[in-house]
Amino acid sequence: AQTVTQSQPEMSVQEAETVTLSCTYDTSESDYYLFWYKQPPSRQMILVIRQEAYKQQNATENRFSVNFQKAAKSFSLKISDSQLGDAAMYFCAYRTSYNTDKLIFGTGTRLQVFP
Amino acid sequence: DSGVTQTPKHLITATGQRVTLRCSPRSGDLSVYWYQQSLDQGLQFLIQYYNGEERAKGNILERFSAQQFPDLHSELNLSSLELGDSALYFCASSVGGSSRVGDTQYFGPGTRLTVL
Repeated sequence: AQTVTQSQPEMSVQEAETVTLSCTYDTSESDYYLFWYKQPPSRQMILVIRQEAYKQQNATENRFSVNFQKAAKSFSLKISDSQLGDAAMYFCAYRTSYNTDKLIFGTGTRLQVFP
Repeated sequence: DSGVTQTPKHLITATGQRVTLRCSPRSGDLSVYWYQQSLDQGLQFLIQYYNGEERAKGNILERFSAQQFPDLHSELNLSSLELGDSALYFCASSVGGSSRVGDTQYFGPGTRLTVL
């Protein structure tokens, strides 16, 4: 069974600085998808970025980028020029491309942003 | 706004009762997913429906059931409620099917269930 591990329960960053959130996963599949979701205090789950395993190029969305290392099964999220609004829980998620579309989530990392 | 709607936003009920949570997917999405977020279990997949049919089942209790209607909205029924069922219940939707385009799930705002 696939598992997703986020080893950093909490992280903090100063406004305008860069922070990296870690995520590792375990799978025997070769084709899958990875996602980062943000959950602010409103509890809404917001898609931040997604990565398709068959693509070697790292995904980027504005200030958010990932470092996808398929062989190492690592999928970290880098937030550049951090803003106060980035403060939230961040969840890493795995989705297989076979049979089921369910997402398997990590336990989350709480990011605090200080002015 | 993801385009996925859930009602009600909050629900407070007593042990032993039954409740129904409702979800309307984004326009054009055929798949609906239900997830439970609790303090001790984290975010867990419950069940998926695709175009009216059950497609995948996760850690869903026998006391829970769901369905997807012809207009594609979905309902999650929770019965014989226990204190431990208190959680945030999310609905998500995607285009679905085998297309790679349909692989991203968009979440609704959730229904917070409190069982007293």
